[in-house]
Amino acid sequence: EVQLVESGGGLIPPGGSLRLSCTASGFRFRSYAMSWVRQAPGKGLQWVSIISSGGHAPHYADSVEGRFTISRDNSENTVFLQMNALRVEDTARYFCAKGYSDSSGYSYFDHWGPGIQVTVSS
Amino acid sequence: DIVLTQSPDSLALSLGERATINCKSSQSIFYSLNNKNYLAWYQQKPGQPPKLLISWASTRESGVPDRFTGSGSGTDFTLTISSLQAEDVAVYYCQQYSSLLSTFGQGTRVEI
Repeated sequence: EVQLVESGGGLIPPGGSLRLSCTASGFRFRSYAMSWVRQAPGKGLQWVSIISSGGHAPHYADSVEGRFTISRDNSENTVFLQMNALRVEDTARYFCAKGYSDSSGYSYFDHWGPGIQVTVSS
Repeated sequence: DIVLTQSPDSLALSLGERATINCKSSQSIFYSLNNKNYLAWYQQKPGQPPKLLISWASTRESGVPDRFTGSGSGTDFTLTISSLQAEDVAVYYCQQYSSLLSTFGQGTRVEI
């Protein structure tokens, strides 16, 4: 059974940094792209970032480009999201999602974690 | 970026009725190279993560009831629930993955 578990969320003041982790199990982690998708309170889904199975070719939404960095450790079955220069509008529940293939491009997401809350507030 | 617009924003129907949710893309998400539409549909129930229902516009995921059907091509797509059940109460999202920067529709809330 595929399982994705996010961690590292919390309350952070504007301008601060946070690193989210997502630990995977139940599938061959190194063979699939991984992504982050967020959902602000009471709002819809917003795709944030994706990374290929090999850790190459990351892509970012315009709203986080230059502030967020996605990476992965295939030996630990974990994907990360380093979030810097956080803004109030980054407040959301952040979901880790598994891509259907190894590529970071052109992917839908066939499994999702329960999500972790990030609140940016002074 | 490709913009997806769903309609309606919300839908209230009786049990057993047909639900129709539309998703319109700001540009075509069909690729003639492989004859595929790069569109997925998700269901999100309160307090839960999204669940993939349909990929490639019309391919139902394993375990998804056959009352859920995806259709359409190019820029216009539809998710149909043929006979609404109580457990179908949720918000439904479309997603395009035809560009490197994926986007979601704003969601359609389905209620009984």
